[in-house]
Amino acid sequence: AQTVTQSQPEMSVQEAETVTLSCTYDTSESDYYLFWYKQPPSRQMILVIRQEAYKQQNATENRFSVNFQKAAKSFSLKISDSQLGDAAMYFCAYRSEGVGGSEKLVFGKGTKLTVNP
Amino acid sequence: DAGITQSPRHKVTETGTPVTLRCHQTENHRYMYWYRQDPGHGLRLIHYSYGVKDTDKGEVSDGYSVSRSKTEDFLLTLESATSSQTSVYFCAIRPWIAGSTQYFGPGTRLLVL
Repeated sequence: AQTVTQSQPEMSVQEAETVTLSCTYDTSESDYYLFWYKQPPSRQMILVIRQEAYKQQNATENRFSVNFQKAAKSFSLKISDSQLGDAAMYFCAYRSEGVGGSEKLVFGKGTKLTVNP
Repeated sequence: DAGITQSPRHKVTETGTPVTLRCHQTENHRYMYWYRQDPGHGLRLIHYSYGVKDTDKGEVSDGYSVSRSKTEDFLLTLESATSSQTSVYFCAIRPWIAGSTQYFGPGTRLLVL
């Protein structure tokens, strides 16, 4: 079974600085997807960024980028120019390739990010 | 906005009572999921559905049942609520697009006394 580990329960960053959240996963599959979700105090789960395992190029979405190291099974999230609105829980998630609806998301336990003004 | 609503948004109930949570979607997505979120555990899958009347268990399905009689509705039932089922419950849908992820509803906070 796949597992996802976020080793940093909490992180903090100064506004306008850069922070990196870590995520490692364990799988025997070669095709899969990785995601970062953001959960602000409103509790809404918001997709931040996604990465296909077959793509070598790291995904980027505005101030958010990932460092995907397939061999090391590492998938870190970098937030540049941090803003107060970035404060939230961040969850790393894994999804296997496949069809039929059984491609469940496996989540890490989350990292709470605080942004200091 | 994936067009997902959950009801109720908050509920307080007593141990031993039945509880049903409803997830409603407006976009006819085939795949629907129920998760629970607890401190220190992230989100864990309870049950999922891959079509009307087609459901299967997730990793924490004990004490829960589901039903899906219409594409748009996915119901989660706690037959006899226990305090260990106090949690935040999320419904999610997944579009049938290769590589798509799941999109989540706003969540239901359930307190079992």
